[in-house]
Amino acid sequence: GESVGLHLPTLSVQEGDNSIINCAYSNSASDYFIWYKQESGKGPQFIIDIRSNMDKRQGQRVTVLLNKTVKHLSLQIAATQPGDSAVYFCAEPYTSGTYKYIFGTGTRLKVLA
Amino acid sequence: AAGVIQSPRHLIKEKRETATLKCYPIPRHDTVYWYQQGPGQDPQFLISFYEKMQSDKGSIPDRFSAQQFSDYHSELNMSSLELGDSALYFCASSSNGVYEQYFGPGTRLTVT
Repeated sequence: GESVGLHLPTLSVQEGDNSIINCAYSNSASDYFIWYKQESGKGPQFIIDIRSNMDKRQGQRVTVLLNKTVKHLSLQIAATQPGDSAVYFCAEPYTSGTYKYIFGTGTRLKVLA
Repeated sequence: AAGVIQSPRHLIKEKRETATLKCYPIPRHDTVYWYQQGPGQDPQFLISFYEKMQSDKGSIPDRFSAQQFSDYHSELNMSSLELGDSALYFCASSSNGVYEQYFGPGTRLTVT
């Protein structure tokens, strides 16, 4: 399943399928991006990050892709599990070199058994 | 591993009252950030501190103030509370020069 965060805030996928969550960022000068996972009633949890000099970065079951041409990020989750159900946010620094983040509109991921 | 600690976890106040939220960063983290998250919304940056000095300011109302103490813990003081202040308030910490921020569990403030 695939989503565009701003226009489809909820993504439902079958357990075991791959999930793709998209994010459009605003600042072409941003040099760093983070994906956070937020479970209900909890604080955002770091998933994976990527610097602007990279196009792709892989973690455990997650991959982040960065397309600077169109200012687009995606988070791919392989073999989605029930524990992946959460709201996912991308975040970028307000301005390059600062450490305060702008969070993108979250996407709720629902994993169907 | 030790995480960011926030207290209290839940707080109920009436309009025009004051509230103080506390944040204890991860040991050896010298930078603290405060975020406000309304229902169904993304976290909004309020303010940050590095080495007890304000380092960045976001959309923090004038009714709010914050500080960081010598032991690096931080407090967010909120006065003349309004219904619209009801939200989750997150504190995050990091080491200076490191982008990755670690978030606490949040304080849920309800203003009635």
